[in-house]
Amino acid sequence: EIVLAQSPGTLSVSPGDRATLSCRASQSVSGAYLAWYQQKPGQAPRLLMYAASRRATGIPDRFSGSGSGTDFTLTISSLEPEDFAVYFCHHYGGAYSFGQGTKLDLK
Amino acid sequence: EVQLVESGGGLVQPGGSLRLSCAVSGFTFSNFWMHWVRQVPGQGLVWVSRISSDGTSDGISTTYADSVRGRFTVSRDNAKSTVYLQMNSLRAEDTGTYYCVRDASWFGYYGMDVWGQGTTVIVSS
Repeated sequence: EIVLAQSPGTLSVSPGDRATLSCRASQSVSGAYLAWYQQKPGQAPRLLMYAASRRATGIPDRFSGSGSGTDFTLTISSLEPEDFAVYFCHHYGGAYSFGQGTKLDLK
Repeated sequence: EVQLVESGGGLVQPGGSLRLSCAVSGFTFSNFWMHWVRQVPGQGLVWVSRISSDGTSDGISTTYADSVRGRFTVSRDNAKSTVYLQMNSLRAEDTGTYYCVRDASWFGYYGMDVWGQGTTVIVSS
């Protein structure tokens, strides 16, 4: 089973800041199977990125993804108030594992 | 509009059973694989089960997380556009919100692109 470790657990940032979220896999994975989700309080998760770097439908271009092998990154170039949420990375296939999440907190 | 609506959650004693349902609309249900994902409040996401679409030469296939294999059964009724999760021998650690989720692989990419609002299961005496 592939284990995904996200860091940091919480990131304190301000609107307009750049946020960089990390996801590390316990073994090398294909980027085709790496996705990111955003979850706001009281809501279901929403697909943000798939194939490590492709934005899902309707996702603004301030969100970008990168990485390969065991290290993947989600970057939000300039935070908007609605971006303060929890972000999960996900490996599709096998045990369909999720990272434990990174929470973006208002500084 | 694409919608997934779960139902069937509730309070159940350890060792008991529940059947969750997920009624879908707004897309051709029979084309899509479907998943169940659990979340404990304030915690992360845990994949529970997946059921393939109909129409493959191998028929419908199912897979389960190790923690639920042998206790949970996923099924689907394409005529009713509904997916089910039969949960038996429930344990306290099965407590959480259960999301019904659409698999995006029919579109040619890998992820879970539509989520229901969730139904809550509490296993407690």
